[in-house]
Amino acid sequence: AQKITQTQPGMFVQEKEAVTLDCTYDTSDQSYGLFWYKQPSSGEMIFLIYQGSYDEQNATEGRYSLNFQKARKSANLVISASQLGDSAMYFCAMREKNRGSQGNLIFGKGTKLSVKP
Amino acid sequence: DTGVSQDPRHKITKRGQNVTFRCDPISEHNRLYWYRQTLGQGPEFLTYFQNEAQLEKSRLLSDRFSAERPKGSFSTLEIQRTEQGDSAMYLCASRGGGAANTGELFFGEGSRLTVL
Repeated sequence: AQKITQTQPGMFVQEKEAVTLDCTYDTSDQSYGLFWYKQPSSGEMIFLIYQGSYDEQNATEGRYSLNFQKARKSANLVISASQLGDSAMYFCAMREKNRGSQGNLIFGKGTKLSVKP
Repeated sequence: DTGVSQDPRHKITKRGQNVTFRCDPISEHNRLYWYRQTLGQGPEFLTYFQNEAQLEKSRLLSDRFSAERPKGSFSTLEIQRTEQGDSAMYLCASRGGGAANTGELFFGEGSRLTVL
């Protein structure tokens, strides 16, 4: 069963507007972590934001915020004031802490975001 | 540069040849991961090292694949008798330990393999 689902293969947003990228996850663990990474065409995976399952507040990092709805098992990424440089693939990932110390991340298939000038 | 570095960035080889990729993690990180990413997919876990010990291997890692981290620093990933299906981006990542660590992985820029 797919553990991370990103249902939007591609998204368009106008420069300076906000955009939400969807992510749902599946786990039976109570303790887990959720991550978003950005992958530009150069290939490097760039960490954006982290949300722990016990964190009561939604995580924020500059223009990035994570809309965490635990009961719905969703962890959507919100990018405010989009910039042309935000055009990239975006991946949602999960780490199940009860799997031990490996810390392996399970990734979704990604969403390609295109920012229009 | 103190990030994760990978070499080579691109490799084109003929089917049946052996290839080796190298990863230099962030120096204080004791955990190292290899992932494979094919077109249109997210990264898929291949194997994990803690220091020099290889603690986990994915079923994706067939017997043609071998990974080492001999001194707990850099790591190599070798693919023997390459097949066209091995064409992918091979990503290396590292992270440190500690209770305050969120588990964020730091990735290199990847090694893109094309098997003709």
